[in-house]
Amino acid sequence: EAQVTQNPRYLITVTGKKLTVTCSQNMNHEYMSWYRQDPGLGLRQIYYSMNVEVTDKGDVPEGYKVSRKEKRNFPLILESPSPNQTSLYFCASRKKGLSGTEAFFGQGTRLTVV
Amino acid sequence: GESVGLHLPTLSVQEGDNSIINCAYSNSASDYFIWYKQESGKGPQFIIDIRSNMDKRQGQRVTVLLNKTVKHLSLQIAATQPGDSAVYFCAENGAGTALIFGKGTTLSVSS
Repeated sequence: EAQVTQNPRYLITVTGKKLTVTCSQNMNHEYMSWYRQDPGLGLRQIYYSMNVEVTDKGDVPEGYKVSRKEKRNFPLILESPSPNQTSLYFCASRKKGLSGTEAFFGQGTRLTVV
Repeated sequence: GESVGLHLPTLSVQEGDNSIINCAYSNSASDYFIWYKQESGKGPQFIIDIRSNMDKRQGQRVTVLLNKTVKHLSLQIAATQPGDSAVYFCAENGAGTALIFGKGTTLSVSS
């Protein structure tokens, strides 16, 4: 089954404690992205990757890091989480090219930073 | 920055009515415009897309209209059903690699 898997689904952490949210896709997609979803703000892109070892900032990259060492994995790293990073996070993948309009999303990770 | 947006944050319709969800965009260089549906507790799901050289595209019970003159995109849902209740996002896939989403419209269908 084609899918994007994120872990964990829910996470409560304290300010400053480093955390990683994992994302894996089994569709051999080149493009992968991280979004955060906040009430009234829709989906905002944090980082995206066009392929292995190629990453770029989205609209709200501050406070986040990513890596793309393998095609299937695209972890999101919060080195020092802060309360304003409390949000619902989605990982997505899609095939490359302008016709790759169908993005497949994970189930989401609800992060609370206290 | 964000280049797509929606006119109304919420839309309420009766079951069986036709729904129209609107979106305004600002980037004329985008090649594709896309609609996604997000049900409660789930990630967004692709509904339909339209290439910038088209005016209309139809799917199953859905039609997307693109008016490049006024930079307007709409999603029409025929015979709306309770299962259509969700948040709908328009998005654009431009010359770069980013897929940019709007803020979303919450569609509520009452029976």
